[in-house]
Amino acid sequence: DTGVSQDPRHKITKRGQNVTFRCDPISEHNRLYWYRQTLGQGPEFLTYFQNEAQLEKSRLLSDRFSAERPKGSFSTLEIQRTEQGDSAMYLCASSPSSDRRKNSPLHFGNGTRLTVT
Amino acid sequence: QQQVKQSPQSLIVQKGGISIINCAYENTAFDYFPWYQQFPGKGPALLIAIRPDVSEKKEGRFTISFNKSAKQFSLHIMDSQPGDSATYFCAAQNGRAVWNDMRFGAGTRLTVKP
Repeated sequence: DTGVSQDPRHKITKRGQNVTFRCDPISEHNRLYWYRQTLGQGPEFLTYFQNEAQLEKSRLLSDRFSAERPKGSFSTLEIQRTEQGDSAMYLCASSPSSDRRKNSPLHFGNGTRLTVT
Repeated sequence: QQQVKQSPQSLIVQKGGISIINCAYENTAFDYFPWYQQFPGKGPALLIAIRPDVSEKKEGRFTISFNKSAKQFSLHIMDSQPGDSATYFCAAQNGRAVWNDMRFGAGTRLTVKP
């Protein structure tokens, strides 16, 4: 079990620049989530993929944010025209499930810490 | 809106003591209640979880107590150790939602003094 892998671990960018993060979930997991975590807060849901389909997006996900999961494997999260308020830890999580009624815990990666200057 | 409320925000306990963290929820659709442990620079890791059909679950030094009627649940860490110093998050999941809606509390920063 190699776990959920995220790249890069840290990203410093200037306001207005675009950034892209990558997540490689646990290989047999078909569910993939992106969360955002700010200092002193719990993770907040951003978006959810089941295989390659993006099935849910939070209101936190503004038009500047876009996520993809081509072929249902790795996922990317892009932020365009970054703002200082985007500074946070971006967490990816995956979980297994073939039955949408079955609870399953989320397995998190170590996150990408974004700093917008 | 915060669907899971967690307290206290921070907690200091002596080595060997009991750490207690409390959470409350409103949405009765939640049907799975995990606790996550997070160390600095790492992602949250699943610690222990409970379903609402039981009132208590114990794994080693960690116990979840669940009160369905009060919509509250708590984490007890017995014989707390310095290595337990971390941030703990309670969470609640709605397994019937299309995306397995999981909401997190704001976290409790636990410090165990040697």
